[in-house]
Amino acid sequence: DAGVTQSPTHLIKTRGQQVTLRCSPKSGHDTVSWYQQALGQGPQFIFQYYEEEERQRGNFPDRFSGHQFPNYSSELNVNALLLGDSALYLCASSSWGAVHNTEAFFGQGTRLTVV
Amino acid sequence: AQKVTQAQTEISVVEKEDVTLDCVYETRDTTYYLFWYKQPPSGELVFLIRRNSFDEQNEISGRYSWNFQKSTSSFNFTITASQVVDSAVYFCALLNQAGTALIFGKGTTLSVSS
Repeated sequence: DAGVTQSPTHLIKTRGQQVTLRCSPKSGHDTVSWYQQALGQGPQFIFQYYEEEERQRGNFPDRFSGHQFPNYSSELNVNALLLGDSALYLCASSSWGAVHNTEAFFGQGTRLTVV
Repeated sequence: AQKVTQAQTEISVVEKEDVTLDCVYETRDTTYYLFWYKQPPSGELVFLIRRNSFDEQNEISGRYSWNFQKSTSSFNFTITASQVVDSAVYFCALLNQAGTALIFGKGTTLSVSS
């Protein structure tokens, strides 16, 4: 049973560019959350998707947007990249309505470097 | 506001030593959920434990144990007889009020040398 898979593993972009990160949730999970982890910091919640809709959003600007597909996979898009967007981006999958009873499973992340 | 504080940034121990990682949380909720995750160099967050606020029993899993004290808002994690494979960053987290997102502390980097 494949866990949460993210692609790509590493990415280097230039300031001002746009980037798309991808996530496939664990089999049986229908909810995907995205987190940003800056170097030396804990992960920070960006947003969560369920039934192809953004259900909750953290304190991130509109440059950060996402999408969820009918097969529950998800994309994170970041526009107009800034140097400060350099971070590890983690995807977590879970079952909607079962958060309190089911731990979230995390992928290995995408390391984004903005130069 | 909800917040998690891990005051220890880095801890270094020698194999077989016991080590405790501290976690202090803030929340106004009467029902809440606390977690510990391990992050090895590969980057993936590995779930270790989830604790409900209404269950104050301490928990032991092999060499790992957790001490939950509501009176001091602490949820500390102890590794007994540490091993080199325990070297990682450990995060304490609190589930937000909506139950949709984890609020993480800044993490504690544990280095275990042989």
